[in-house]
Amino acid sequence: GQNIDQPTEMTATEGAIVQINCTYQTSGFNGLFWYQQHAGEAPTFLSYNVLDGLEEKGRFSSFLSRSKGYSYLLLKELQMKDSASYLCAVRTDSWGKLQFGAGTQVVVTP
Amino acid sequence: DTEVTQTPKHLVMGMTNKKSLKCEQHMGHRAMYWYKQKAKKPPELMFVYSYEKLSINESVPSRFSPECPNSSLLNLHLHALQPEDSALYLCASSQEEGAYEQYFGPGTRLTVT
Repeated sequence: GQNIDQPTEMTATEGAIVQINCTYQTSGFNGLFWYQQHAGEAPTFLSYNVLDGLEEKGRFSSFLSRSKGYSYLLLKELQMKDSASYLCAVRTDSWGKLQFGAGTQVVVTP
Repeated sequence: DTEVTQTPKHLVMGMTNKKSLKCEQHMGHRAMYWYKQKAKKPPELMFVYSYEKLSINESVPSRFSPECPNSSLLNLHLHALQPEDSALYLCASSQEEGAYEQYFGPGTRLTVT
């Protein structure tokens, strides 16, 4: 079966750093994605990793270790608008199928 | 234009009704997707169309019937739904099937009474 685990909720202060971990056990692996979803809105693409290592995009960075089945999303200099659900998703084949984790609700406090 | 649009935004339907959800993109993408998302749950893939042909059907009940009339449009026809089908239905598109970035529409909030 497919298993993608991430914490349910994390709270952090404005200006701080938060790291959201994602572990996966899937039948196949062809890339890992992070999406941000504000309540009642569509998911928006944040990052994509297919090779091991760190990808940096402004305040957001994502890391992948394929041998450990592990990824994290790092959010720096947190802003109130970063309060949202962050979804880890694994592409399990060479086609379009994405398997999503349950999402991590990040709450940013003043 | 990097937008995927969906209509309607909200839909309430009875179990005997027939309705359709619509999705449109003008980015020249050749792959389009339907996802279902229940409250506080992740999106679950339902269907994938690639070059207007059905590529993936995730064992979705036949009361959901997808249609891709052309490369910009994707419909989801609904008939004889159950209350447990109430959810947010998300459409997404990507340049090709398997392209890494999928662009999501805002979704249609469906309530079945």
